[in-house]
Amino acid sequence: AAGVIQSPRHLIKEKRETATLKCYPIPRHDTVYWYQQGPGQDPQFLISFYEKMQSDKGSIPDRFSAQQFSDYHSELNMSSLELGDSALYFCASSLGLGQGYNEQFFGPGTRLTVL
Amino acid sequence: KQEVTQIPAALSVPEGENLVLNCSFTDSAIYNLQWFRQDPGKGLTSLLLIQSSQREQTSGRLNASLDKSSGRSTLYIAASQPGDSATYLCAVPMVRDDKIIFGKGTRLHILP
Repeated sequence: AAGVIQSPRHLIKEKRETATLKCYPIPRHDTVYWYQQGPGQDPQFLISFYEKMQSDKGSIPDRFSAQQFSDYHSELNMSSLELGDSALYFCASSLGLGQGYNEQFFGPGTRLTVL
Repeated sequence: KQEVTQIPAALSVPEGENLVLNCSFTDSAIYNLQWFRQDPGKGLTSLLLIQSSQREQTSGRLNASLDKSSGRSTLYIAASQPGDSATYLCAVPMVRDDKIIFGKGTRLHILP
């Protein structure tokens, strides 16, 4: 069965550079979630989208922005990168929102290293 | 605000032993509770998902229980193997907005 695809899997950037992470949800899934997991930390919710509209926002820095496109893939844009942005970034997708729980399926993650 | 706590933070046991990992949560307004496994630097592997109306769920040597009223869940691993060494995360999706709140995990090391 098709899973959530994230690209790139690994990314190395310098401080103050910009990074774009991509997430391709499971076919027919219309909801995407982004999570950030710092070294030795638990994953923290950043932001979510349902039907191309932002549905919820967590502890996402103002330097980060995200959107969901018409084909339901999502991109997380990160500007003015800081050392503390080094983390594993997970995307998850589900079908539907607010109609009872729909299981979130996680992608393999993108490891971002900021030097 | 939902808080998910996992005890112990780390655990080392000899191979073959049965063990229990604990998870507690403060807000019982949950859809379900999910246990994940994470190997170092790797992604999240879903192990078990227990619906809020269920008491337990089993998969192979794993058994997870849920007591929603008391805000507790346990993950029981039978006949542990070195390959079970990983971090186990307890995760709770919130009813209000579907985002998942994770515990900080239990780092499990099975000694050969």
